[in-house]
Amino acid sequence: QKEVEQDPGPLSVPEGAIVSLNCTYSNSAFQYFMWYRQYSRKGPELLMYTYSSGNKEDGRFTAQVDKSSKYISLFIRDSQPSDSATYLCAMSPERDYKLSFGAGTTVTVRA
Amino acid sequence: ETGVTQSPTHLIKTRGQQVTLRCSSQSGHNTVSWYQQALGQGPQFIFQYYREEENGRGNFPPRFSGLQFPNYSSELNVNALELDDSALYLCASNPPNSPLHFGNGTRLTVT
Repeated sequence: QKEVEQDPGPLSVPEGAIVSLNCTYSNSAFQYFMWYRQYSRKGPELLMYTYSSGNKEDGRFTAQVDKSSKYISLFIRDSQPSDSATYLCAMSPERDYKLSFGAGTTVTVRA
Repeated sequence: ETGVTQSPTHLIKTRGQQVTLRCSSQSGHNTVSWYQQALGQGPQFIFQYYREEENGRGNFPPRFSGLQFPNYSSELNVNALELDDSALYLCASNPPNSPLHFGNGTRLTVT
């Protein structure tokens, strides 16, 4: 069993829809949780950064962390074609150290 | 713009050869990490350097080695290349108390 599980998709939604992404994990030592967006031929770009459990909102993006269930989510509201990318969840026991990534979910937003 | 620059962007090597990948970070980015991303997978932590000393290592053999220099540049060296080493190699760095930012990577193909 992988330390971080993420549904690879692919996920296809119409423009304006809400995109829902999630990851589960097994290591209870994880304290820091991140979501990265990766376009083709590019490196991962940090979208959201959360410490411990709770919700965080930034514009159209909302990240949720439920440590009791070992489950994290990312919601993208009013999705745009420019949101089409691979979304990676990542987590670590210490700040910015030894990140463990999910396999990524490929999202396509249809115009 | 993440301030992390990697070179070269693409590289083709033959099995058994050695390769050096380079990364340049912004001033003040005392920590640099290297990750390997196989096709269709999330990045995997190789090692981290802090102030020119190795500060942690993932599950990679000793033929993966690194260097960090005082001018905020770093290198990843891989000896005795194997076909499975074909991947995108990502460098990430961050100033103190800020999250990791990734470069666009070097795509290594081993034939």
